[in-house]
Amino acid sequence: NAGVTQTPKFRILKIGQSMTLQCTQDMNHNYMYWYRQDPGMGLKLIYYSVGAGITDKGEVPNGYNVSRSTTEDFPLRLELAAPSQTSVYFCASSYSHPGNEQFFGPGTRLTVL
Amino acid sequence: AQKVTQAQTEISVVEKEDVTLDCVYETRDTTYYLFWYKQPPSGELVFLIRRNSFDEQNEISGRYSWNFQKSTSSFNFTITASQVVDSAVYFCALSEGQGGSYIPTFGRGTSLIVHP
Repeated sequence: NAGVTQTPKFRILKIGQSMTLQCTQDMNHNYMYWYRQDPGMGLKLIYYSVGAGITDKGEVPNGYNVSRSTTEDFPLRLELAAPSQTSVYFCASSYSHPGNEQFFGPGTRLTVL
Repeated sequence: AQKVTQAQTEISVVEKEDVTLDCVYETRDTTYYLFWYKQPPSGELVFLIRRNSFDEQNEISGRYSWNFQKSTSSFNFTITASQVVDSAVYFCALSEGQGGSYIPTFGRGTSLIVHP
């Protein structure tokens, strides 16, 4: 199993550009999550999904959109990139029971200039 | 609402010292789960341990041990005889089992630096 994979690993965007961060998991997990990690600030939840076709906002959803058309994929869309979106983005997945741990992808380091 | 506090932002020790990372949580649920994750310099978060609210037994795994105390709402993590490879950011997390969304809440993390 590959686990959780994310592409790209690194990206530099200009202000106002758009992009999609890809996330795929092959563990048949119901739950998937997107976090951003800023230096010294821990993980902030952007969006999450409890199953295909169902998404919900997390703590910091503004400027982002998601979709979940399949169990495996959970792409994160940035529209009109801003310098405040410079961060490391992590995708994670888990089974639905709250006692199950999350599996994280390797992260995408995004810089907006 | 659930909350996790890791008051120690950064800890610096010399190799072979013991070190304890603190985690204090808040929840109204009687059923909940606590986790520790490690984020080494390579960046990827790795699961270390899970504890449920009904099991207060302490856990030991090699040089790692965890002390769960419901009376003080704490789930502390101790590394005995620390090594340079233990240098990482460690996150404590909480998810609620009833009435909650099952979505974990993370603390801000504690950066551990182990000097040779």
